[in-house]
Amino acid sequence: GDSVTQMEGPVTLSEEAFLTINCTYTATGYPSLFWYVQYPGEGLQLLLKATKADDKGSNKGFEATYRKETTSFHLEKGSVQVSDSAVYFCALSGRAGGTSYGKLTFGQGTILTVHP
Amino acid sequence: SQTIHQWPATLVQPVGSPLSLECTVEGTSNPNLYWYRQAAGRGLQLLFYSVGIGQISSEVPQNLSASRPQDRQFILSSKKLLLSDSGFYLCACPRGGRGYEQYFGPGTRLTVT
Repeated sequence: GDSVTQMEGPVTLSEEAFLTINCTYTATGYPSLFWYVQYPGEGLQLLLKATKADDKGSNKGFEATYRKETTSFHLEKGSVQVSDSAVYFCALSGRAGGTSYGKLTFGQGTILTVHP
Repeated sequence: SQTIHQWPATLVQPVGSPLSLECTVEGTSNPNLYWYRQAAGRGLQLLFYSVGIGQISSEVPQNLSASRPQDRQFILSSKKLLLSDSGFYLCACPRGGRGYEQYFGPGTRLTVT
């Protein structure tokens, strides 16, 4: 079945540092890929998405590129802020017509803490 | 745009007690609806999904059940809670009601004591 593997956390950075959170996946066919963010005490918010190979999703300074050859969707940000402290989840959804269409499979989440 | 409501926001229940969590959606019709659980220190796991009134699919066998009595209402229930049912329960709905881009409600934090 489908699966998502994220780098182990927690990740602790100083403000303005470069961020990478690795994500790799296993899926049948060509899934859609997502990054969600969860701020303390809140639900999940969609951060960015990519629906086909070589697509780059971007939002709020974060970027991730859908790499089919390496089955990866790593999250990056050039300069993190204290307000970026949160839990980040990589997820995938299967294509229309498949049994996993519309259902999200999540990685285990990576806790990011940014210090001033 | 659609809005997902969940209540209660927090709940503390003793082992063996019943459970009812509610999710309602505004701004879309006949949506697919999903229940996820986030256990402490772990990722999210899909529990149930529904493509219409009275239609429920279970992803993981467990102590919980789900029902969809109305088009935009999705309920998660249990007859007798276990300690392992503690967690953060999230309802989700795709943008426009269908598709793969899901949006989440604010969640219910359940603690079973």
